Amino acid sequence: GEDVEQSLFLSVREGDSSVINCTYTDSSSTYLYWYKQEPGAGLQLLTYIFSNMDMKQDQRLTVLLNKKDKHLSLRIADTQTGDSAIYFCAESIENQAGTALIFGKGTTLSVSS
Amino acid sequence: DSGVTQTPKHLITATGQRVTLRCSPRSGDLSVYWYQQSLDQGLQFLIQYYNGEERAKGNILERFSAQQFPDLHSELNLSSLELGDSALYFCASSRSGGAAETQYFGPGTRLLVL
Repeated sequence: GEDVEQSLFLSVREGDSSVINCTYTDSSSTYLYWYKQEPGAGLQLLTYIFSNMDMKQDQRLTVLLNKKDKHLSLRIADTQTGDSAIYFCAESIENQAGTALIFGKGTTLSVSS
Repeated sequence: DSGVTQTPKHLITATGQRVTLRCSPRSGDLSVYWYQQSLDQGLQFLIQYYNGEERAKGNILERFSAQQFPDLHSELNLSSLELGDSALYFCASSRSGGAAETQYFGPGTRLLVL
């Protein structure tokens, strides 16, 4: 079945780079997503990458996709205390019935000053 | 602000009761999704609607049901509630429900079953 795996915790110091890793299982996923959830808040779409791309950069965020290994990573440059949150990796699954996002369990990023 | 609204924000109820969660999609979006976020199961897809019709089902219990109305808002009905149903329930919407589309999430409804 579909499964998305992420490490549960990452702790960095302010100003450092953070790298959050994710592996997914469905090679037919069209898009892969990173969502951010701050404490007590909903899910905020951070960025996404189309499956035929290797890299996408968006300001401080860099997404790398290794489709052969089904590995996705999110790099946050110059990490700030405001980046402390849970980061979810998700793959889109589509079949004849419809579409769903399959999420990982989330990586809690803790940024210390 | 994603443009997706959910009400109520918080809900406290007792076991055995029934509740209805409401979602209004972003303007122009025809597809609505429901997700459940709990500590032990993480974020799980429940069900998808497109233009009033059910399109895909995930890990949705038989005690739960949903519908999408002609004005495209959706309701998730949870009945015979159990303690384990306590969770954050998210609604998301997308333009036409395809895998290539971004889903935008609402702020969620936090359900506590006592």
